[in-house]
Amino acid sequence: GENVEQHPSTLSVQEGDSAVIKCTYSDSASNYFPWYKQELGKRPQLIIDIRSNVGEKKDQRIAVTLNKTAKHFSLHITETQPEDSAVYFCAASGGGTALIFGKGTTLSVSS
Amino acid sequence: NAGVMQNPRHLVRRRGQEARLRCSPMKGHSHVYWYRQLPEEGLKFMVYLQKENIIDESGMPKERFSAEFPKEGPSILRIQQVVRGDSAAYFCASSPGQGSNQPQHFGDGTRLSIL
Repeated sequence: GENVEQHPSTLSVQEGDSAVIKCTYSDSASNYFPWYKQELGKRPQLIIDIRSNVGEKKDQRIAVTLNKTAKHFSLHITETQPEDSAVYFCAASGGGTALIFGKGTTLSVSS
Repeated sequence: NAGVMQNPRHLVRRRGQEARLRCSPMKGHSHVYWYRQLPEEGLKFMVYLQKENIIDESGMPKERFSAEFPKEGPSILRIQQVVRGDSAAYFCASSPGQGSNQPQHFGDGTRLSIL
């Protein structure tokens, strides 16, 4: 089955810096890759997703890139703000059922 | 447009009791997924249901756990004879349909504590 590895597990940046979180997946049939942000005690919120027919997608300060050959995808957050502090999860799915999640990255943005 | 609704938000049970967790999907969504999250860990898939059908239960323990999504009413995740290891946050997500082009949106979760 699918396995998703996520790095780093913790990431500390200064406000205004960029943050990059990387994930690798094992199943070449996976074709959908969402990213979720989860604040403490709250629901995971979908922040951006990418499908396998696209190499990059941007939404304001957030971008996701996908390298199908290498089976990895990354989340890029530019001009980080304290409210970006949260746990970020990557996930992968193929065939349309379960999302397989990485173990999460705790991002801390200090002002 | 209400989001995914889960209740209760917090549930306390003693060992051996039963726990029932409810999930109402977003309006227009017919597909429901249940995930479990242990402290400081990612979400683990348990079961995927459509109305009156279990599509994929590969992530759900074979014993004590069951799930349903009846024609009318919310989806129910049922845990019988709970043990301490069942303590976790249980999240439900819904999507409009099957397929990798359908984003899943999550509810606020039920935090289950076993005494």
